[in-house]
Amino acid sequence: DAGVIQSPRHEVTEMGQEVTLRCKPISGHDYLFWYRQTMMRGLELLIYFNNNVPIDDSGMPEDRFSAKMPNASFSTLKIQPSEPRDSAVYFCASRTRYTGELFFGEGSRLTVL
Amino acid sequence: AQTVTQSQPEMSVQEAETVTLSCTYDTSESDYYLFWYKQPPSRQMILVIRQEAYKQQNATENRFSVNFQKAAKSFSLKISDSQLGDAAMYFCAYNIKGAQKLVFGQGTRLTINP
Repeated sequence: DAGVIQSPRHEVTEMGQEVTLRCKPISGHDYLFWYRQTMMRGLELLIYFNNNVPIDDSGMPEDRFSAKMPNASFSTLKIQPSEPRDSAVYFCASRTRYTGELFFGEGSRLTVL
Repeated sequence: AQTVTQSQPEMSVQEAETVTLSCTYDTSESDYYLFWYKQPPSRQMILVIRQEAYKQQNATENRFSVNFQKAAKSFSLKISDSQLGDAAMYFCAYNIKGAQKLVFGQGTRLTINP
């Protein structure tokens, strides 16, 4: 299996622009997670899905953030409008229902100018 | 609240030496998983080792082993024969069985001195 695949690896955009981050989880995994990593706050869970259904979005910072999972092999995290404080590395991760182990993608580094 | 504490923001060790990274956690649950993840400069999070709380035997993966003290809620990682490729951020994490959230510590940056 190719592992969790994220795109883009790097994104530089200007404040106010829309940003879309993409994730393809490992085939057969039931859960998908979006994390944000910053120096100040470490790893923060933003939202997670079970069988494509959002279960807990309490970590989403504000209404500018939204996430979807239209099918078992694809998820997006969208920020609209983006702000400089959104600059971070965004990780997607997936896992099966049987173990607690998370498999992470390589992350998308977002810089908002 | 469930928390994971890594009290050492940075550690360094000489190549080929042994180093131990500390981790404590706070939970009232009895059945859970514990993990150590490695994040090298390439930034991908890689699982190093995992431990199930009901297992008394400490997990071992090659040069990596843990010292799991359930009563003390302690889960330290020992790296033997340190190699340059071990240089990375190391994150301790935990989740309750049946719950979905993985709670991470703040990380320990490990430097390997040649």
